[in-house]
Amino acid sequence: GENVEQHPSTLSVQEGDSAVIKCTYSDSASNYFPWYKQELGKGPQLIIDIRSNVGEKKDQRIAVTLNKTAKHFSLHITETQPEDSAVYFCAASPTGGSQGNLIFGKGTKLSVKP
Amino acid sequence: DTGVSQNPRHKITKRGQNVTFRCDPISEHNRLYWYRQTLGQGPEFLTYFQNEAQLEKSRLLSDRFSAERPKGSFSTLEIQRTEQGDSAMYLCASSSTGGREKLFFGSGTQLSVL
Repeated sequence: GENVEQHPSTLSVQEGDSAVIKCTYSDSASNYFPWYKQELGKGPQLIIDIRSNVGEKKDQRIAVTLNKTAKHFSLHITETQPEDSAVYFCAASPTGGSQGNLIFGKGTKLSVKP
Repeated sequence: DTGVSQNPRHKITKRGQNVTFRCDPISEHNRLYWYRQTLGQGPEFLTYFQNEAQLEKSRLLSDRFSAERPKGSFSTLEIQRTEQGDSAMYLCASSSTGGREKLFFGSGTQLSVL
């Protein structure tokens, strides 16, 4: 089945710097890749997603890139702010799944220092 | 839009007891999902409903677990004869038919089995 690896597990940046989180997946037929942000005591919140027919997607300070050949995708956050501090999860939608059956990475704890 | 609501937020129980959690999805969403999350891990898919029909179950969902969505609105997840290994955050999410991949998560029920 699908397996998603996420790196790094922790990331500390200075306010205003950029942050990059990378994920790889194993099932070449996976076609949907969302990113979630989880703050302490809350459920994951969808922040951006990308489909396999698109190479890049941007929403203000957040962007996601997808390399289908290499089976990896990345989250880029520019001009980081202290409120970006949270745990970020990547996920993939495996073949034959309901498309709600997401396989998540283990998460990256991002700390933005003011 | 009141979001996905889960009750209770916290549940402490003794090993061997039964527990039941409730999830109220976003009102117009016909798809409802249950996930489990342990400390330091990403959410793991348990099961999902489209309206009242349970369409997919993970092998993680042992026979001690049962989920229902009797009228296609709220859902309950019951764990019988709880074990210490059941201690986790149980997350509910919902999505609409049109945007079915976009899951909206509740804040979860934190279960501690003593």
